[in-house]
Amino acid sequence: AQTVTQSQPEMSVQEAETVTLSCTYDTSESDYYLFWYKQPPSRQMILVIRQEAYKQQNATENRFSVNFQKAAKSFSLKISDSQLGDAAMYFCAYRSSHGGATNKLIFGTGTLLAVQP
Amino acid sequence: DARVTQTPRHKVTEMGQEVTMRCQPILGHNTVFWYRQTMMQGLELLAYFRNRAPLDDSGMPKDRFSAEMPDATLATLKIQPSEPRDSAVYFCASGIARLGYGYTFGSGTRLTVV
Repeated sequence: AQTVTQSQPEMSVQEAETVTLSCTYDTSESDYYLFWYKQPPSRQMILVIRQEAYKQQNATENRFSVNFQKAAKSFSLKISDSQLGDAAMYFCAYRSSHGGATNKLIFGTGTLLAVQP
Repeated sequence: DARVTQTPRHKVTEMGQEVTMRCQPILGHNTVFWYRQTMMQGLELLAYFRNRAPLDDSGMPKDRFSAEMPDATLATLKIQPSEPRDSAVYFCASGIARLGYGYTFGSGTRLTVV
């Protein structure tokens, strides 16, 4: 079974600085998708960024980028120019590309990010 | 923006009462999930529907929980009877399974069973 591990329960960053959140996963599949979701205090789950495993190029979305290391099964999120609104719980998630019941999202335990003014 | 709508947003109930949570997935999405979030267990998958048919409900306590999709615009999660350990935030999410995009989550229902 696939698992997702986030080893940093909490992180802190100064406003305008850069922070990297770590995520590792375990799978025997070669094709899958990886995601980072943000959950602010409003509790809404917001999709931040998505990576397809067959693409070597790291995904970027404005100030958010990932470092995808397929062989190491590592998928870290880098937030540049951190803003107060980035303060939230961040979840790493895995999804198989195969059909059927494997399309569910498997989540890590989350990293709580604080942004200091 | 299209959104997944969940009702109610908050629910406080007494132990033993029936609780029904509702979800309206995004129009055109054929896949619906129910997740439960607690501090101790994190995000757990309870049930998963594709084209209204249940694909996986192995994470759901069968003796008290039930999930249905009476039509494509409504998914329900029912707890009967409710227990204090059911207190959690329940999320509904929808998407299109054959596409590799992430799923869209609703705002969740915060359930408190006293």
